[in-house]
Amino acid sequence: DIQMTQSPSSLSASVGDRVTITCQASQDISNYLNWYQQKPGKAPKLLIYDASNLETGVPSRFSGSGSGTDFTFTISSLQPEDIATYYCQQYDNLPAMYTFGQGTKLEIK
Amino acid sequence: QVQLQESGPGLVKPSETLSLTCTVSGGSISSYYWSWIRQPAGKGLEWIGRIYTSGSTNYNPSLKSRVTMSVDTSKNQFSLKLSSVTAADTAVYYCARIAADRPDYWGQGTLVTVSS
Repeated sequence: DIQMTQSPSSLSASVGDRVTITCQASQDISNYLNWYQQKPGKAPKLLIYDASNLETGVPSRFSGSGSGTDFTFTISSLQPEDIATYYCQQYDNLPAMYTFGQGTKLEIK
Repeated sequence: QVQLQESGPGLVKPSETLSLTCTVSGGSISSYYWSWIRQPAGKGLEWIGRIYTSGSTNYNPSLKSRVTMSVDTSKNQFSLKLSSVTAADTAVYYCARIAADRPDYWGQGTLVTVSS
């Protein structure tokens, strides 16, 4: 099974800061890596798919990069509405399996 | 816009079977995979399994022995059954559409508590 290691588990930053979250896969997953935002009491929302593609309607301050085993999610200028928990997620097709990272809880300083 | 809505009992007794249904509106259920994902309170997300509109299924190996999924294309619904539940199965259960190998549309989630 492919394991996903996401870090940090929590993060405190100020409005306007650049925020970076990393996700490492236990083996090469090419670019099969997605990023989600989850606000309290809500379902996760897809932000980035295939490592670096911005989902339609998602603000451009969100971005993703990486391939293989190491991936990065960035918020270029943190806004108050970005307070949430962020998850990476990978897909493996042999056998079919979707695995989420442990999550990063983002708070405002 | 595609919308998903989970329904089912919010309280299930230990050792019994949890049953949930997801109703899809705003689009056809055909030609997609549909998935169930759960989240215990304060914890992360766990994929339970997926079903294609043909009825083909894939389950998380950790739950495979207890999970059954089905689909009813005439009603635009798909369902989850999880047998022999324990307190560890208490969670918010989400249904989601899988498009190009990623969950893109999600239901709002439904809390299922396992307790006598």
